[in-house]
Amino acid sequence: SQKIEQNSEALNIQEGKTATLTCNYTNYSPAYLQWYRQDPGRGPVFLLLIRENEKEKRKERLKVTFDTTLKQSLFHITASQPADSATYLCAPSNNAGNMLTFGGGTRLMVKP
Amino acid sequence: DADVTQTPRNRITKTGKRIMLECSQTKGHDRMYWYRQDPGLGLRLIYYSFDVKDINKGEISDGYSVSRQAQAKFSLSLESAIPNQTALYFCATSDLHSGAPFRELFFGEGSRLTVL
Repeated sequence: SQKIEQNSEALNIQEGKTATLTCNYTNYSPAYLQWYRQDPGRGPVFLLLIRENEKEKRKERLKVTFDTTLKQSLFHITASQPADSATYLCAPSNNAGNMLTFGGGTRLMVKP
Repeated sequence: DADVTQTPRNRITKTGKRIMLECSQTKGHDRMYWYRQDPGLGLRLIYYSFDVKDINKGEISDGYSVSRQAQAKFSLSLESAIPNQTALYFCATSDLHSGAPFRELFFGEGSRLTVL
């Protein structure tokens, strides 16, 4: 069955460092992958989308990579800030119907 | 005002009761979704609707039903609530007419349901 894995343990880093979050998937051939941010008690908010034919996508301090051979996406936040503290969800999709399947999310804690 | 509004935001009920969660949107999107979120399990799709006459089951539809009353309204019902339906429920929308396959989801603020 299709499986999406994100590190369930919280990632704690110091302000100013680069945070790297991992999304691995199995039994899956997604055409694209989305990343969302979720704050406690709030709904997820879209951040970035990367297509299978794109190796890397950037938006301000955010960078996403997509390795279809490794079946993995990495999400980087450079020069992290305490305000970046949140849970980050990955959501691969292998069809155009937008049936997004979400990983369990990784909680990021950036300490000042 | 929020683009995707869910009511109620919090609800405590008892086993066997019928519960309805409502979602309305002002984004003009055709597609609407109901997800359930449990700690560590991510978001799981319950039902989705691509237009008023189109309703589809998601991966965990058992015990739930939905109604698409209008383009802007999509409600989720638990006919006879049970404790393992205690969870955070999210409604989401997406735009049919945005360039495929780019269809980001826009989420509501969530409805926290507790079934005792």
